[in-house]
Amino acid sequence: AQSVTQPDIHITVSEGASLELRCNYSYGATPYLFWYVQSPGQGLQLLLKYFSGDTLVQGIKGFEAEFKRSQSSFNLRKPSVHWSDAAEYFCAVGEGYSGGGADGLTFGKGTHLIIQP
Amino acid sequence: DAMVIQNPRYQVTQFGKPVTLSCSQTLNHNVMYWYQQKSSQAPKLLFHYYDKDFNNEADTPDNFQSRRPNTSFCFLDIRSPGLGDAAMYLCATSRGKEDTESRFGSGTRLTVV
Repeated sequence: AQSVTQPDIHITVSEGASLELRCNYSYGATPYLFWYVQSPGQGLQLLLKYFSGDTLVQGIKGFEAEFKRSQSSFNLRKPSVHWSDAAEYFCAVGEGYSGGGADGLTFGKGTHLIIQP
Repeated sequence: DAMVIQNPRYQVTQFGKPVTLSCSQTLNHNVMYWYQQKSSQAPKLLFHYYDKDFNNEADTPDNFQSRRPNTSFCFLDIRSPGLGDAAMYLCATSRGKEDTESRFGSGTRLTVV
């Protein structure tokens, strides 16, 4: 069974500083990987996704993530955070194309990002 | 703009009184999902429809059911809500085999009193 681990429950970063949120996954084949952001009381917004190809993917709002197969990781990064980035961030894994690709996502427990002025 | 729309945003129901949450999509996606997200937890998949085919997660309680009368609409029925069913319920869609990227609605916050 697939699983996702986000080891950091909370992260506090100063505004303007760089950010890295960690994500490790467990999956038998090539997974589809996603990062979503959720503001309080809201749904999930997709930041970026990895299906195949270039292992460094660019997303919205200045975020990027790097897929490292050898480490089973898909860490999210941003060079300079803004106060508006404060939110909950979820890493998720989906079944790869070979498996049908429609069985929904497995989410990590999330990382709560706090931005200090 | 193509969207996933959930109504209502907030729903209050009485303990044991059946309640239905609705989701509609203008994306013409093949797959519609229902997730349950309890406070400070990750979303958990309850079930999904691939076109008309219903797929239930093994640990989804029998108290939860779903209907998809057409491509655009999907409903979540909770037959006898308990206090433990209070949560945010998220609807999502995807094209399926061609692309598993899921688009989420804004969610319905269910309170059970």
